[in-house]
Amino acid sequence: GQQVMQIPQYQHVQEGEDFTTYCNSSTTLSNIQWYKQRPGGHPVFLIQLVKSGEVKKQKRLTFQFGEAKKNSSLHITATQTTDVGTYFCAGNNNDMRFGAGTRLTVKP
Amino acid sequence: DAGVIQSPRHEVTEMGQEVTLRCKPISGHNSLFWYRQTMMRGLELLIYFNNNVPIDDSGMPEDRFSAKMPNASFSTLKIQPSEPRDSAVYFCASSRGLAGGGTQYFGPGTRLLVL
Repeated sequence: GQQVMQIPQYQHVQEGEDFTTYCNSSTTLSNIQWYKQRPGGHPVFLIQLVKSGEVKKQKRLTFQFGEAKKNSSLHITATQTTDVGTYFCAGNNNDMRFGAGTRLTVKP
Repeated sequence: DAGVIQSPRHEVTEMGQEVTLRCKPISGHNSLFWYRQTMMRGLELLIYFNNNVPIDDSGMPEDRFSAKMPNASFSTLKIQPSEPRDSAVYFCASSRGLAGGGTQYFGPGTRLLVL
């Protein structure tokens, strides 16, 4: 069945540094979604990518969907303490599978 | 919109007891999902319903777990008998369309501790 791998598992950065998390699927995806979960909170939808090679931006966050629609990345420029949390990708191919998440901590 | 509502928010019980978790999805959403989250296993999909019908229950750990959706506005996840390894945060989420489609809106979760 479909598997979604996400790396790294943890990332600790100094405030102001950049951060990237990567998501890889074993199968071609119809779309991919990204979620953020703050400590003690619940996953909250960030964005959905549908098209091959698609790039979307939300302020300091840049999301990319690979040409083969099997991988994706989330890049945060100049991290802030408010970016702390776990970032999940979720790949859709008739059903949705979440990656294990990347837990981001930011040192002020 | 009230969002997805889950109850209880916290549950502490003893091994062997029955636990029932409840979820009210967002009005108009026709898909409902139950997830379990632990540090060791991350976010796991247990079961999802579409139009009140279970579509995929392959994630349900074992026969001790059961889920129902008697109508479009209510679902339960039951664990009987509960075991310490069931301790986790259980999330309910809802969306429009099928699992491969729309955005999933998560509830606040139920934090379950089985002693």
